Order: sequence, then structure tokens, then C-alpha cells
Amino acid sequence: GAVVSQHPSRVICKSGTSVKIECRSLDFQATTMFWYRQFPKQSLMLMATSNEGSKATYEQGVEKDKFLINHASLTLSTLTVTSAHPEDSSFYICSARDRSVGGLTFSYEQYFGPGTRLTVT
Amino acid sequence: DAKTTQPNSMESNEEEPVHLPCNHSTISGTDYIHWYRQLPSQGPEYVIHGLTSNVNNRMASLAIAEDRKSSTLILHRATLRDAAVYYCILRDIQGAQKLVFGQGTRLTINP
Repeated sequence: GAVVSQHPSRVICKSGTSVKIECRSLDFQATTMFWYRQFPKQSLMLMATSNEGSKATYEQGVEKDKFLINHASLTLSTLTVTSAHPEDSSFYICSARDRSVGGLTFSYEQYFGPGTRLTVT
Repeated sequence: DAKTTQPNSMESNEEEPVHLPCNHSTISGTDYIHWYRQLPSQGPEYVIHGLTSNVNNRMASLAIAEDRKSSTLILHRATLRDAAVYYCILRDIQGAQKLVFGQGTRLTINP
């Protein structure tokens, strides 16, 4: 259980075009999803927090008009990189938080997708 | 967010135990200690988490200092598949509960 998928796994696009990345929780409901970006040899950088049915909360320095996030259902969030440029080439990873409650404490574990490697030429 | 400090890299031999340290001197009372690991070209994978008591699961053990200012992830018998970057992360049970990744420890396992 607790599987998060991303599609596509790899994408190559031309500079100036837009590309959409999907993140799905396959066997649980996720009220909250997170989007990260990772450059080679670096750690994950949180870009935004996506809540189902409401606007995403972006981290400081992340352009919300460039990285459009939609979380239309409890199992799907999308990240659209608009007018992509070569510097947007990166590994994009999403995670989803299980809304289930475990015992006396809230579990809220986060599960990560396999990542999407974006190359902008 | 409270910060964690980990060694940049560690090396161990296959089938030997590995102790990965993490310092978090500014931890607050509502911070859980989480460990994730990331294999090359994959998303992070949950390893273990704890609050005050030591924790064990099928993957690893987590030893938490009494003052909670440090913790150690223990892999009891390392395999080549355990080679990864290990991240120690504090997550506040209140608020946004987002995971903020530091630089982590790159673990190399020698055959």
C-alpha cells in the first residue's frame, strides 16, 4: 500500500513550451501533496504545498506563475512548468500525505513518488 | 524549522552494522525525528521515525538521546542495496508538517 506514482517519468521539451507532471496517490487519499525539485548532487528543495480544493502555498523564491499547481481531487495533483527554460531542467518529485489516523497519534506519513526528470532543450 | 546536522558521507562494509548520527540541538517538544533515504534517481523512501523512545522496524532502529538533541539511525546488517543518501528530518506535528530536507549523509557500502 501507500504508493505514489508520477507521470511522465522522463520528459524532454523545447524551451518556451509548457509541461505538465502528474502526481497520484494510488491507494490512499491525500489531502495534502508536496512538490520538490532536486538538482544533480543536491538535496531536495520544497517548492510548494498543495491542498485539495484550495490554492497551493509556495515556498519563498518559487514563482507561482511559472510553476502552476492544481490539486483537484484527493488522489491527483499536477505541476505545470510554464514557458520552460533550460535552467528548469531538474528532477521533480512529489509526495503525498496519508490522511489516516493511526492509534492515538496522527500518522500523516508522507510517501514519495519516483520522480520526473525534466530536460529543457 | 529546526535544523539537523549530519556527516556528509560515511562508509561501511557489507553485512556490518552502520550507525548514522544526527544532531538536532534546537529540537522542540512537538518535533518528530524522521529518517528517509534516497537511492540514485529515485524518490525518497521512509525509513523510520520517533518522538522520544527508541524505535525498531524491519528496516532499521532509531536510537534517540534522552535530551532528544541527537539521534542515531542503525542499520543492523548493511547490504549493498542500503547504499543511499540518508536524511534526518525534524517534522513538527503541528502546523504544515512539511518535510524540509538537509544535505543528508551519503552512505557507501563496500562489498
